[in-house]
Amino acid sequence: GQNIDQPTEMTATEGAIVQINCTYQTSGFNGLFWYQQHAGEAPTFLSYNVLDGLEEKGRFSSFLSRSKGYSYLLLKELQMKDSASYLCAVRDSGWDDYKLSFGAGTTVTVRA
Amino acid sequence: DAGVIQSPRHEVTEMGQEVTLRCKPISGHDYLFWYRQTMMRGLELLIYFNNNVPIDDSGMPEDRFSAKMPNASFSTLKIQPSEPRDSAVYFCASRATKGRNYNSPLHFGNGTRLTVT
Repeated sequence: GQNIDQPTEMTATEGAIVQINCTYQTSGFNGLFWYQQHAGEAPTFLSYNVLDGLEEKGRFSSFLSRSKGYSYLLLKELQMKDSASYLCAVRDSGWDDYKLSFGAGTTVTVRA
Repeated sequence: DAGVIQSPRHEVTEMGQEVTLRCKPISGHDYLFWYRQTMMRGLELLIYFNNNVPIDDSGMPEDRFSAKMPNASFSTLKIQPSEPRDSAVYFCASRATKGRNYNSPLHFGNGTRLTVT
């Protein structure tokens, strides 16, 4: 089975930094994705890691350690519009397959 | 780019009725996925297609659920008969395989909120 864990909720202040951790235990690994989902809307893609290390995209960065089964999403210079649920997803399928297993999501609330 | 289009946006039906959800993937995308999202279980993969062929339907809850993809631009998810526990948001998503680029993410539609009373 697949086990993907994230904190349920986090609160931070506008302009601050928040780090959302994700640990996973899956039968296979072919990449880890982060998606953002605003309430009542569809998930939208944020970042992707397949190799160890840090990927930076503007205010958002994502880190992966495959040996530890661990990733984090770093949100810098928080804005009110960043209030959303952040979903960690692992592609746990084989080379020619494509299955994403999602964590339950972390609801981030940004306060003024 | 029109994005993934789902219909209807909302569906309210009575237990025992047949429900059909529709999806039009992004043109040129060769993978199509059906997900279900609930507060209790989060986002669950039901089934996915590659080039219109079902690849993995192990997430389909039971025989009441069926999905088809008759062509590259249309897919349906059918529930017959529907039950209150089927109430959820159903998302369709698509992606394109660009060579061997595994970075290509899923693009989700806006979902269908299904309520079975």
